[in-house]
Amino acid sequence: AQTVTQSQPEMSVQEAETVTLSCTYDTSESDYYLFWYKQPPSRQMILVIRQEAYKQQNATENRFSVNFQKAAKSFSLKISDSQLGDAAMYFCAYYWGAQKLVFGQGTRLTINP
Amino acid sequence: GAVVSQHPSWVICKSGTSVKIECRSLDFQATTMFWYRQFPKQSLMLMATSNEGSKATYEQGVEKDKFLINHASLTLSTLTVTSAHPEDSSFYICSARDLRLAVNEQFFGPGTRLTVL
Repeated sequence: AQTVTQSQPEMSVQEAETVTLSCTYDTSESDYYLFWYKQPPSRQMILVIRQEAYKQQNATENRFSVNFQKAAKSFSLKISDSQLGDAAMYFCAYYWGAQKLVFGQGTRLTINP
Repeated sequence: GAVVSQHPSWVICKSGTSVKIECRSLDFQATTMFWYRQFPKQSLMLMATSNEGSKATYEQGVEKDKFLINHASLTLSTLTVTSAHPEDSSFYICSARDLRLAVNEQFFGPGTRLTVL
């Protein structure tokens, strides 16, 4: 069964600095999708970034970028120039075929002003 | 992105009563909808997957007779918590996707907080 592991329950970073959230996953598939979701205090799930496994190029969305290491089954999220509004729970998720999303345990990110 | 709404956003009910939560896709047709449960400071736990016009598929350990799911149209799914008890108090989130689209993304509703007294 596919599993997603986020080994950092909590992280904190100074405003304007860079932080990296870790995620590893386990799968025997070769073609799948990976996502990072943000859940702010409102609890609305917001898609931050997505990565197709067949693409070697790392996805980037403004201040958010990923380091996708397919062989190592690693999918970390880098947030540059952290802002107070980035404070939230971040969930890494895996998706394959027409199956369900598999979520990691989440990382709570705190931004220190 | 596509919009998914949930109603109500919060509900308080007495133990033993039933509560219905609606999930609507507002600007797309949802061939598949998912219902999640989230406890404080925890991840989302998938309860069931429903395809339009079909019976829902429940995850292991989820009581199908307690959590009734109906997906009668391409824009509406409902979750009914029957004979609710305090242990059913939680945050319930739905998501929706259109399997006919190439974009493999689920769109999430804002969630419903259920408190059972």
